[in-house]
Amino acid sequence: EIVLTQSPATLSLSPGERATLSCRASQSVSNYLAWYQQKPGQAPRLLIYDASNRATGVPARFSGSGSGTDFTLTISSLEPDDFAVYYCQQRSNDNTFGQGTKLEIK
Amino acid sequence: EVQLVESGGGLVKPGGSLRLSCAASGFNFIPAWMSWVRQAPGKGLEWVGRIKSKNDGGTIDYAAPVKGRFSISRDDSKDTLYLQMDSLKTDDTAVYYCTTVRWGSAWWLGHWGQGTLVSVSS
Repeated sequence: EIVLTQSPATLSLSPGERATLSCRASQSVSNYLAWYQQKPGQAPRLLIYDASNRATGVPARFSGSGSGTDFTLTISSLEPDDFAVYYCQQRSNDNTFGQGTKLEIK
Repeated sequence: EVQLVESGGGLVKPGGSLRLSCAASGFNFIPAWMSWVRQAPGKGLEWVGRIKSKNDGGTIDYAAPVKGRFSISRDDSKDTLYLQMDSLKTDDTAVYYCTTVRWGSAWWLGHWGQGTLVSVSS
């Protein structure tokens, strides 16, 4: 099973700052990686698929990069609505999620 | 607007059964691949299974922890997805989400329902 490790577990930033979230795979997943956002009490929402493609309606401040084993989700300038938990998911071999990164207001 | 509404959750004893439903609207259900994902209280996401459209063979795949106990089906005449859960264990306690599939270079979890809570406890 491919294990996805997300870091940091918690990221404390202020609105307007840049956020960089990491997802590392235990073996190469090529570009078969997605990112999801989950706010408290809500269902997750697809943000990025195929490592770097924004899903419909996702603001341009969200971007994904990486391939192989190292991936990054970048939020260029944090809005108050962006504070949430973010999960990465791989679909190269079966289907696994990372443990999540909580992005909290500093 | 895509809407997915899950129902059927509740409290059940270990070893019991439960059937979840997911009513879909706002898109063409017949050609859609659909999936179930669960989230234990305070924990992360876990994929449960996926069903292809009948036109694509209707193949169903399951995650290892639920294989042999859970069964996914669909009724295209009712635009409804189902998850039959048998031999339930306390570890199956979670919010269960149904999702659409969004295609890229692989299939991803597109739209999500609001979820339904399943509690397995004696």
